Amino acid sequence: GAVVSQHPSWVICKSGTSVKIECRSLDFQATTMFWYRQFPKQSLMLMATSNEGSKATYEQGVEKDKFLINHASLTLSTLTVTSAHPEDSSFYICSARGLAGEVTGELFFGEGSRLTVL
Amino acid sequence: GENVEQHPSTLSVQEGDSAVIKCTYSDSASNYFPWYKQELGKRPQLIIDIRSNVGEKKDQRIAVTLNKTAKHFSLHITETQPEDSAVYFCAAREFNKFYFGSGTKLNVKP
Repeated sequence: GAVVSQHPSWVICKSGTSVKIECRSLDFQATTMFWYRQFPKQSLMLMATSNEGSKATYEQGVEKDKFLINHASLTLSTLTVTSAHPEDSSFYICSARGLAGEVTGELFFGEGSRLTVL
Repeated sequence: GENVEQHPSTLSVQEGDSAVIKCTYSDSASNYFPWYKQELGKRPQLIIDIRSNVGEKKDQRIAVTLNKTAKHFSLHITETQPEDSAVYFCAAREFNKFYFGSGTKLNVKP
């Protein structure tokens, strides 16, 4: 299957700082990328959907000014957690879908990024 | 948005037995239902999927059934093996978005 790479896999930051997480589709063009948050032993919670070249669509309850999403190219989407606080500590996973996936529905996931805010 | 419920949250079976995980969804507009397997610390991997125009799909030891009227779908794993131990997530696609169930931790005892 297609490869989606996420970076960094681990990040520790101080409270009040901002952290950027990158999600790249390595061998296909991702027309749509999804960002999920996963708490320990819990499901993936959809945060936002981003389409290349347009603003992200955020799910209810997700602060768009806190979780900035940019999908500047067909192979890269970024999630920036601004002014991070300890409660933002979580596992963030991106997933991507290409044109073929819009028909088949298949999603490809990144490895995830574990954020710890001290 | 779509609401996907998954049961049970944990499932322990003996090697060789079958395992069944069930999910329900709320929005009749959802038309695609994938199942993902996630091993500890790793990314979710698609194991099987089913579309709303199909009632059942099988791939070796794994099968998925869908009841559109009742809005529920199930994952069936036969002849379970220790390497099947993982967390399994169901999902439903509503228009352009995917919503996940809460996950089932499957433990296959040797």
